[in-house]
Amino acid sequence: DVKVTQSSRYLVKRTGEKVFLECVQDMDHENMFWYRQDPGLGLRLIYFSYDVKMKEKGDIPEGYSVSREKKERFSLILESASTNQTSMYLCASSLFALLGNSPLHFGNGTRLTVT
Amino acid sequence: SQELEQSPQSLIVQEGKNLTINCTSSKTLYGLYWYKQKYGEGLIFLMMLQKGGEEKSHEKITAKLDEKKQQSSLHITASQPSHAGIYLCGADFVTGTASKLTFGTGTRLQVTL
Repeated sequence: DVKVTQSSRYLVKRTGEKVFLECVQDMDHENMFWYRQDPGLGLRLIYFSYDVKMKEKGDIPEGYSVSREKKERFSLILESASTNQTSMYLCASSLFALLGNSPLHFGNGTRLTVT
Repeated sequence: SQELEQSPQSLIVQEGKNLTINCTSSKTLYGLYWYKQKYGEGLIFLMMLQKGGEEKSHEKITAKLDEKKQQSSLHITASQPSHAGIYLCGADFVTGTASKLTFGTGTRLQVTL
């Protein structure tokens, strides 16, 4: 079974702090994704990566950056956390670039609260 | 996403009853994915549909994609408390490399004893 592991389940940070959310997958997947999930808005894509050191902006990249130095690890960075970034963050990975051949596999999520 | 509408938004059913959740798109889908999310946790992949008229089943859950590939339904037979959670549909609107999913806002299912 694919395992996508997010380093923290719950995180509380102060406004202005730099925040790192880590995600690791153990199945040699090419593609990795970061989503945030908010009530009434569903899942929204922040960034995704289809190769090491490659990244593409999703629908809501503002205020975020990402890093993919190794194939198995995809980090989401909040440069200066703000209260409107309080949310559930979900990492996902997929084997192939064409989703029709492989679904997304998700981690358990990190619930981030910015005070 | 306004491109993908799920209905109903929430559902309370008695254990043993059947139920249906719908996912409707304003555009033709290239792939439709159903996920389940337990409260406060990540998403678990259920099924993937790609062909018009396709139907797949897993245990007591059946998913269908209509012939026009714009609507999918998820049907649960004889619901159990373990079926409780949030069901999300995800749509692949784009073919090509590095596709990404657009998700509906989810249907919250409660199963009462």
